[in-house]
Amino acid sequence: EVRLLESGGGLVQPGGSLRLSCAASGFTFSNYAMSWVRQAPGKGLEWVSALSGSGDNTYYADSVKGRFTISRDSSRNTLYLQMNSLGAEDTAVYYCAKHRSRSATNCNNYWGQGTLVTVSS
Amino acid sequence: DIQMAQSPSSLSASVGDRVTITCRASQGISNFLAWYQQKPGKAPEILMYAASTLESGVPARFSGSGSGTDFTLTISSLQPEDVATYYCQNYYSAPITFGQGTRLEIK
Repeated sequence: EVRLLESGGGLVQPGGSLRLSCAASGFTFSNYAMSWVRQAPGKGLEWVSALSGSGDNTYYADSVKGRFTISRDSSRNTLYLQMNSLGAEDTAVYYCAKHRSRSATNCNNYWGQGTLVTVSS
Repeated sequence: DIQMAQSPSSLSASVGDRVTITCRASQGISNFLAWYQQKPGKAPEILMYAASTLESGVPARFSGSGSGTDFTLTISSLQPEDVATYYCQNYYSAPITFGQGTRLEIK
């Protein structure tokens, strides 16, 4: 059974940093691309970042480029999102999502339950 | 970036009704389109991929069609458990983009 468990969310001040983790199980982690998708309170889904199965290719939304870094540790079956220079506009539930293949340009067939990030003073 | 426009933004229908949601891409994306269902307080779940391929375990009352720029999600006979927000997703190229969502309620 595929499981994705996000952690690391919480309250952070504007300008601060946070690192999200997503622990994956039930599949061969290195064979699949992974993404982070966020959802601001009461709003729709916004793709944030993706990483290919090999780890060679990374992709970012313009809204987070230069501030967020996606990475993976295949020895720990864990996906990360390092978030710096956070602003109120980054307040959202952050979901970890598995892609259908090694390619990050593919749909997401499994999602975690999300972790809430609140940026506020 | 490819923009995805969903319509309607909200919809109210009766149990047993046929419901159709549309999604239009700002440029051609072949069939690189997925549909997701998100129930209140829950994570999204995939319903359909490659525009018309039903994900395993999804009820057959859901169907998808389209190619290029225009796509539809159809529920043949609306059930109470279908109350949710539905999103289309373009995965033709990065950045991946979502439609703004269609909120479906029971009349």
